[in-house]
Amino acid sequence: RKEVEQDPGPFNVPEGATVAFNCTYSNSASQSFFWYRQDCRKEPKLLMSVYSSGNEDGRFTAQLNRASQYISLLIRDSKLSDSATYLCVVNARRTGGGADGLTFGKGTHLIIQP
Amino acid sequence: DVKVTQSSRYLVKRTGEKVFLECVQDMDHENMFWYRQDPGLGLRLIYFSYDVKMKEKGDIPEGYSVSREKKERFSLILESASTNQTSMYLCASRALVYEQYFGPGTRLTVT
Repeated sequence: RKEVEQDPGPFNVPEGATVAFNCTYSNSASQSFFWYRQDCRKEPKLLMSVYSSGNEDGRFTAQLNRASQYISLLIRDSKLSDSATYLCVVNARRTGGGADGLTFGKGTHLIIQP
Repeated sequence: DVKVTQSSRYLVKRTGEKVFLECVQDMDHENMFWYRQDPGLGLRLIYFSYDVKMKEKGDIPEGYSVSREKKERFSLILESASTNQTSMYLCASRALVYEQYFGPGTRLTVT
């Protein structure tokens, strides 16, 4: 099983619709979870952290299911500007000490259509 | 406003050349990272550093080395560039908490 797995898409969604995608992770000891957004030919940027109780930021809702080892991202009332690649990110302690490393999924490509 | 800068946005080098990619952050972060990103493979960690002069191998360190002489600067070195090192290189930094800030990336082409 890959460390962090996402459906690559693309998800083609009409403007105004609700879209959700999941990400599964293999390391049950993972403690921190994030969604990053990456626009075409740009660097990834933090969209939101994912807390155990779930959290919401405007039209975006993130949830964590530890028992099944997945996190989800829900986007309501989608906008054209939401078109991007969404990267699921999980912490993974690396051997040899030092900083924890973040493991990035390969991303889910979302296209919002007018 | 947090800032991570990389020395070049685009770079073209010949096979066998030594290549230096520089990254500078102005946030006084302890941790700095170098990734490469390729279509279908996602972001892969090459090396990271958690303190000045400290470095650790990531998932794909072969063919690369790094240098961190000052806290704000983390350099990636390709000792002898090869065509399979053509890629987008992304530098990142973060403090002890987990938000990681990326630089704009360097698109390196090795011919």
